[in-house]
Amino acid sequence: DSGVTQTPKHLITATGQRVTLRCSPRSGDLSVYWYQQSLDQGLQFLIQYYNGEERAKGNILERFSAQQFPDLHSELNLSSLELGDSALYFCASSVVGSGGGVTDTQYFGPGTRLTVL
Amino acid sequence: AQSVTQLDSQVPVFEEAPVELRCNYSSSVSVYLFWYVQYPNQGLQLLLKYLSGSTLVKGINGFEAEFNKSQTSFHLRKPSVHISDTAEYFCAVSDLRSGGSNYKLTFGKGTLLTVNP
Repeated sequence: DSGVTQTPKHLITATGQRVTLRCSPRSGDLSVYWYQQSLDQGLQFLIQYYNGEERAKGNILERFSAQQFPDLHSELNLSSLELGDSALYFCASSVVGSGGGVTDTQYFGPGTRLTVL
Repeated sequence: AQSVTQLDSQVPVFEEAPVELRCNYSSSVSVYLFWYVQYPNQGLQLLLKYLSGSTLVKGINGFEAEFNKSQTSFHLRKPSVHISDTAEYFCAVSDLRSGGSNYKLTFGKGTLLTVNP
């Protein structure tokens, strides 16, 4: 158990819908990262938040957005869903990740499996 | 931009045999290197990481990896595998951007290690 929790574990929805994935980082971790794992694209970095602020963006679609709340949990919002958005979405956390924290290990949650029908 | 190539998508071996999972990377800057393992229906777990210093890195579960800068490789090895090592293994890089805060991991496509009795 990494200490990172993600809910829900599974999510099945229809095209055009909007969903919210939730992540609680390990106690004391300030950085949260979101990754998407799909069969064709593999594991791809989406976005990073550090202590409530966006720090880095990767291959995140405009239909997707995220935020990190004062209690440090994070939510990934996916809207206007398409079949191709079906994937496993992972959240990871690390202690810092800013100004020297690159050596920090990222601890991954169990993931949320999103199926878009 | 960075990239990671895992040369083998699948590696089948027999129990107690040695194994090497290959990883090559490309980056215009110095990098940190990681190996993660993903057991079925679970999140990613860090096996080991190379930050600096000795090029031979020892990790958990008897795995080790050697960083070779001239060949831009970071191959993972284990002298004797167990059935329980059956999992997908991911090589990842994170670049050393001085003063930056982009700590995203760039992953390879993964290598499925199957250990047969």
